[in-house]
Amino acid sequence: NAGVTQTPKFQVLKTGQSMTLQCAQDMNHNSMYWYRQDPGMGLRLIYYSASEGTTDKGEVPNGYNVSRLNKREFSLRLESAAPSQTSVYFCASSEFRGLSNTGELFFGEGSRLTVL
Amino acid sequence: SQELEQSPQSLIVQEGKNLTINCTSSKTLYGLYWYKQKYGEGLIFLMMLQKGGEEKSHEKITAKLDEKKQQSSLHITASQPSHAGIYLCGATTSYKLTFGKGTLLTVNP
Repeated sequence: NAGVTQTPKFQVLKTGQSMTLQCAQDMNHNSMYWYRQDPGMGLRLIYYSASEGTTDKGEVPNGYNVSRLNKREFSLRLESAAPSQTSVYFCASSEFRGLSNTGELFFGEGSRLTVL
Repeated sequence: SQELEQSPQSLIVQEGKNLTINCTSSKTLYGLYWYKQKYGEGLIFLMMLQKGGEEKSHEKITAKLDEKKQQSSLHITASQPSHAGIYLCGATTSYKLTFGKGTLLTVNP
C-alpha cells in the first residue's frame, strides 16, 4: 500500500504565484488533514476534513483554501503565495473514531515549499 | 484551545543513557499520541494513550499518561543512535489532532 501520497515533494514559487498541493490516501480513511511545519513551531494544523464533504479551519488557515475532492483526495491551495508560507507541508489521514479520538494519523512524506 | 507544552526542547545524550521527554496539557487529555520524526521525513506513530495511569511500551520506549490525564512522559531506556529525531506529542480535540512543538533528541555514539 502507498499510504498517504503528496505531490509535489519540492516546489519553488515567486511571491504572488498560486499552486495546489495534492494529497491522496488509499486506506479508505474518513478524515484528512493538512499541517505545516516550521522550525521551533512544531506542526500546526491548517485545515482538516473530518469526513467527505466537510472541511474546517485549523490553527493557521489564512492564505489557504482546501478541497475534499472525494474520500481519497484532499488538496491545499495557495492562491497568492507569500514568503511567510515557506514551510514543509504534511498531509495526513485517519479513521475517525469519535469526537475525542481521531485515531492514529498516517502522514505523507511532506512537501517542501519555498516562496521567494 | 488545547495547548501542549513539551520539555525539554532539545536533548543530547550519550548512547546507552536513559532519557525522558515530557508533554503537559492545559486541559484534560482524552487521547494523547506520541510520534517520531526523522529529519526531512514524515511522522511515525509510536503510541496512543487514553486512560489515566495508562502505560505502554514498545521495544525500549515507554509512554505514560498520569492519573489526572494532563501530563504524559516518554521514556527511552539505553538510548541508541537510531532513537535520534524529533519527538512530538499530540492531543485530540474536536475531530482533530494538535501537536506540541517537539523535542529534538540527539544521541552521540
